[in-house]
Amino acid sequence: AQSVAQPEDQVNVAEGNPLTVKCTYSVSGNPYLFWYVQYPNRGLQFLLKYITGDNLVKGSYGFEAEFNKSQTSFHLKKPSALVSDSALYFCAVRDINFNKFYFGSGTKLNVKP
Amino acid sequence: DVKVTQSSRYLVKRTGEKVFLECVQDMDHENMFWYRQDPGLGLRLIYFSYDVKMKEKGDIPEGYSVSREKKERFSLILESASTNQTSMYLCASSLLSFSHEQYFGPGTRLTVT
Repeated sequence: AQSVAQPEDQVNVAEGNPLTVKCTYSVSGNPYLFWYVQYPNRGLQFLLKYITGDNLVKGSYGFEAEFNKSQTSFHLKKPSALVSDSALYFCAVRDINFNKFYFGSGTKLNVKP
Repeated sequence: DVKVTQSSRYLVKRTGEKVFLECVQDMDHENMFWYRQDPGLGLRLIYFSYDVKMKEKGDIPEGYSVSREKKERFSLILESASTNQTSMYLCASSLLSFSHEQYFGPGTRLTVT
């Protein structure tokens, strides 16, 4: 069965420092991986995706993610965090056999000034 | 830009009432999804649809039904609302293509008293 794990409920980082939000996955076949961000009382917004090709994927708002097949990970990164990056982040994998998406439990990112 | 709209941002209903949540997308997407979001549990799939009049159960369909009479509209129905259905409900749409991400509506926060 497909699944996604986000091992950290919360990540705290100081403004200007690099940030990493972790995600590991379990899929049969090729993974289709996504990151979304949710601001308070809003729906989810798409940040970036990995389908195939380069292991480093660049997305919106300066975020990037590194796909690592051997470690089955897809960690979200940003070189320099902003206070405005504070939000809830979700990793997701698409199950192509059943046309469904599976989401992690979410990681709350707190960026302190 | 893709627009996914939901009929209400906030809704308060009484136990036993029949509740309708409506979702409309304007990008001609084949897939539409209903999730509920609860703290610590991430997003859980209730139902999805890949075509008009087609529906598939997700992971937690009990107590819910759906209707898709037109391609752009996907309705979630709570036949007899219960307090354990108090939650944030998110609608999403996507193309059928496996590489395509989902687009989310702003969510409906439903309280059942």
